Amino acid sequence: DAGVTQSPTHLIKTRGQQVTLRCSPKSGHDTVSWYQQALGQGPQFIFQYYEEEERQRGNFPDRFSGHQFPNYSSELNVNALLLGDSALYLCASSLQGLGTGNTIYFGEGSWLTVV
Amino acid sequence: AQRVTQPEKLLSVFKGAPVELKCNYSYSGSPELFWYVQYSRQRLQLLLRHISRESIKGFTADLNKGETSFHLKKPFAQEEDSAMYYCALTGSNTGKLIFGQGTTLQVKP
Repeated sequence: DAGVTQSPTHLIKTRGQQVTLRCSPKSGHDTVSWYQQALGQGPQFIFQYYEEEERQRGNFPDRFSGHQFPNYSSELNVNALLLGDSALYLCASSLQGLGTGNTIYFGEGSWLTVV
Repeated sequence: AQRVTQPEKLLSVFKGAPVELKCNYSYSGSPELFWYVQYSRQRLQLLLRHISRESIKGFTADLNKGETSFHLKKPFAQEEDSAMYYCALTGSNTGKLIFGQGTTLQVKP
């Protein structure tokens, strides 16, 4: 089991552009969450997808959107990129969220640099 | 407000010394508390969670609801413990982890 896989690992975009990041959850997991980790900070929750719907959302603008596919994989889209969007984007997978003793597994992340 | 505070950005100790990484939280309700660790060039991984009350790699953490703290402790630090440690919480069935800013633990030989 490869665990949570993310692509691409690194990318550079220009201000105003759009970016799509991809995530495949750990085998057997049906819930995917996305986090943004700025340099020197802890991860911040963006949103969570379960059954192809956004279930929870953090304090992020509508420029951040996502999607979950029937195979549970997920995409994070960011439109109109700002310099402040430069960060490590982490994907996390679990089985039907927390509170049930299930463990959340993280991917290695996608480093986004906006210039 | 829901918040996790790790007051130390860097904790440097010598091998064999005791370690305590501090974590305080603010949450209205009954949160579940976690410690995550990130070793150099590796992904974020769960170290321990308060509900399991287990010891992992010699680390323990006790939830103190009165002081709203969940400090991570180890009696004798090892060089391989050098890593970034994050304290995190979630409310029941919210599915959302709230992280602290992290503490870098540096264990010197």
